[in-house]
Amino acid sequence: AQSVTQLDSHVSVSEGTPVLLRCNYSSSYSPSLFWYVQHPNKGLQLLLKYTSAATLVKGINGFEAEFKKSETSFHLTKPSAHMSDAAEYFCVVSGANFGNEKLTFGTGTRLTIIP
Amino acid sequence: NAGVTQTPKFQVLKTGQSMTLQCAQDMNHNSMYWYRQDPGMGLRLIYYSASEGTTDKGEVPNGYNVSRLNKREFSLRLESAAPSQTSVYFCASSIPLLYEQYFGPGTRLTVT
Repeated sequence: AQSVTQLDSHVSVSEGTPVLLRCNYSSSYSPSLFWYVQHPNKGLQLLLKYTSAATLVKGINGFEAEFKKSETSFHLTKPSAHMSDAAEYFCVVSGANFGNEKLTFGTGTRLTIIP
Repeated sequence: NAGVTQTPKFQVLKTGQSMTLQCAQDMNHNSMYWYRQDPGMGLRLIYYSASEGTTDKGEVPNGYNVSRLNKREFSLRLESAAPSQTSVYFCASSIPLLYEQYFGPGTRLTVT
């Protein structure tokens, strides 16, 4: 069984300040973890993924996330927010047993950027 | 390379009507998925197909049927639409064992 909890449903930051979106996971296996972004009225785009290689994962648009097994966390960060980062972000976990590719989504964090 | 395409983009149905949502991918992926997205609930898996000729239920399959027509196409059918099926529907595809999924642009369905 696997689950993911996004700790904040809504985060607001000023343009140019750091972004932190928090995610905790639960998995019976060594998980694969993802962050997806969804801009308004668009589909989902993969930001970054962790699949048991380096624990600090770099993604597109300056985002990165750190896998911390001891804390069962996979928080998403960016040093300096841009207006174009305003979107909904989903933390996602996948089972690592072969053949099970089903993803479990968090409920999302809406990121608002204040000019 | 169009990726994952979905038709239609928008649809309004009356209660009891039927319709089929179409999905196609041109990435030669074996696995395909249908999700629904409702406010505050993230995406929930309706059905998935690990390979051509196979389909399995996901978290919320009631009221839906699917067909994996061939490797490229995976359709979702609502036989008798209900207001509770008002949602945004996403199709996705993936390469087995790599887990990351590629999503279509979505279909916004309203059932009145």
